[in-house]
Order: sequence, then structure tokens, then C-alpha cells
Amino acid sequence: EPEVTQTPSHQVTQMGQEVILRCVPISNHLYFYWYRQILGQKVEFLVSFYNNEISEKSEIFDDQFSVERPDGSNFTLKIRSTKLEDSAMYFCASSEAAVGAGGLVETQYFGPGTRLLVL
Amino acid sequence: GQQVMQIPQYQHVQEGEDFTTYCNSSTTLSNIQWYKQRPGGHPVFLIQLVKSGEVKKQKRLTFQFGEAKKNSSLHITATQTTDVGTYFCAGRWSWGKLQFGAGTQVVVTP
Repeated sequence: EPEVTQTPSHQVTQMGQEVILRCVPISNHLYFYWYRQILGQKVEFLVSFYNNEISEKSEIFDDQFSVERPDGSNFTLKIRSTKLEDSAMYFCASSEAAVGAGGLVETQYFGPGTRLLVL
Repeated sequence: GQQVMQIPQYQHVQEGEDFTTYCNSSTTLSNIQWYKQRPGGHPVFLIQLVKSGEVKKQKRLTFQFGEAKKNSSLHITATQTTDVGTYFCAGRWSWGKLQFGAGTQVVVTP
């Protein structure tokens, strides 16, 4: 069964450093997402990406964050200058999506996540 | 902003008992999804409900979407130790992002 993969599984970085989290979505999927989950808390939406551009972003996704699909298979999340509060599990997800009555209907497949620890 | 409220936050269940977790929105949803996250794992899609009053079953799991499309529930019968984890509902309003609830963490006592 196809699955979303993410690398690295764990990343430890110093505050102020840049990190790049990598994801390989399922190959025929068109919609891509990044979420984060602070330990013990709920899953929070960061950004959605479709047709090579951001389609929606949350208030968490400020100027320190950026996303890119550099080569048609990878989907990356960059944090330019990490803060202590960026420590979390970051999940990538992808979907085929479809149009249903009243809006977007889809199944999102989550990757295993990257645990980021900022010291 | 638009949110989904999920209760209870924690659920301790004896093996073999039933339990229900609830999800509520103050405004009408387009659709709602349910995910399960095992300890240390990632969210895994369980089901999507789209129609008003929809009921779907997956073995011992029964999912309902309210008539007004503002609430949803997940009922698990005869709980097993494999049901341990956190169950999240995630609501969508039209074309926007999925908004996850806070989750119900389920602990099963043998």
C-alpha cells in the first residue's frame, strides 16, 4: 500500500538555526499538507499546497515558515530561524481530494512524522 | 474562528465495555472525518461522513453525523486493548482546512 514518507524521523537543532523537513507524498496525490502536534496536544494545521502554490495557511505559519515542492516528488517545510516553541512533531499529509456536495471531500494520508526538538 | 469541540478529553474503559466520544461545531460542517492515533504514532484516517444523518459502521465502531451536520459521534462497542489511542474528529467547512478536535485519549483496562 502506498504511504507518505518523512525524513528525518528526529531532528535536534539549536535555537535560531534553519531546519528543513522532508516529505514524499503518495505519488498520484495532488494536495499536500503540513501539520504540527505539540506533545500531548491536538493536531494543528499549518499549510495546504496545491498546484505548486499555497492554498491556505494558518496563523502559525508565519514568515519563518516556507514550503516547497522542489522536484515533483518531495515536499519540504523550512523553518528559517527556529524557536524553542517550534519543538513538536511535524506531520506531512497528502490526498487525492475530490469535489463533493458543499465542498472538498478527501482522505488525507499522514506520514510518520518528524520529531523536532529545538534547544 | 471555526472550531470543533470534542469530549471527553480522557476515557478510561474496562475491556468489554462500550464508550462514545462526541464532536460538536457551532456552525454547519461540510463533512467530518475521524482519525485514530496510537501512542507514538501518526493519525490514521478511519472514516469520512458527508451526508446529514449519516451512519457508518466499521466492525465495532459506529460513526454518526447529526441531522444538522453540526455534531458527530464515534461509538465503540466491546472495547479491546487494541482500541487504545487518541481519537480525533476533524471538521471541514466547505473548501477550507481540516480543523482537528482536541481528541479523546482512550485507556483500556484489561
